[in-house]
Amino acid sequence: AQKVTQAQTEISVVEKEDVTLDCVYETRDTTYYLFWYKQPPSGELVFLIRRNSFDEQNEISGRYSWNFQKSTSSFNFTITASQVVDSAVYFCALSEPYNTDKLIFGTGTRLQVFP
Amino acid sequence: DAMVIQNPRYQVTQFGKPVTLSCSQTLNHNVMYWYQQKSSQAPKLLFHYYDKDFNNEADTPDNFQSRRPNTSFCFLDIRSPGLGDAAMYLCATSKLSGEGYTDTQYFGPGTRLTVL
Repeated sequence: AQKVTQAQTEISVVEKEDVTLDCVYETRDTTYYLFWYKQPPSGELVFLIRRNSFDEQNEISGRYSWNFQKSTSSFNFTITASQVVDSAVYFCALSEPYNTDKLIFGTGTRLQVFP
Repeated sequence: DAMVIQNPRYQVTQFGKPVTLSCSQTLNHNVMYWYQQKSSQAPKLLFHYYDKDFNNEADTPDNFQSRRPNTSFCFLDIRSPGLGDAAMYLCATSKLSGEGYTDTQYFGPGTRLTVL
């Protein structure tokens, strides 16, 4: 069965600290997609990244970086030099095309960045 | 800018009084989704449309219905809201790609429903 685990319920850091949000997934399919979404207090889910199962190359976008490791079924997200505006709930999600097209969300990690 | 719009952003209804939430999109995506998100929980898929084909999740209560009159609009009807239906309702859209699987889901700002 598909499952996404975000073991960190809440993380608090001080501005400029680096922080890593963990995501571990389970799937029996060989073709799947992994996502990260950010949900600020306003409530909208903001798409951050999509990665397919055949592309293990890590990605960097500004202060954000993602580490995808199929060997450990992990897709971790690091924010470098965190800022107060990074405070939000972050969701990791999995989808299996050709199957349900449904997004399987983790329970989310609440990140609080203090000035 | 192409986007997903939800109205209203906040909705207050009374116990048992029908309510309709709306979603529109300018992305011209052929797939539209409705999610329910309760406080401190992950979003939960209620149903989705591939074009006009309706796909209901097995555990979605009958109290929840949906309509998609055209590509741009999708509605969520709650026939008799209960206190347990108070939640954020999120609409999302995606594009069915040429390879047969859907693309990234893009979400609207959500409608926060309060049931009195």
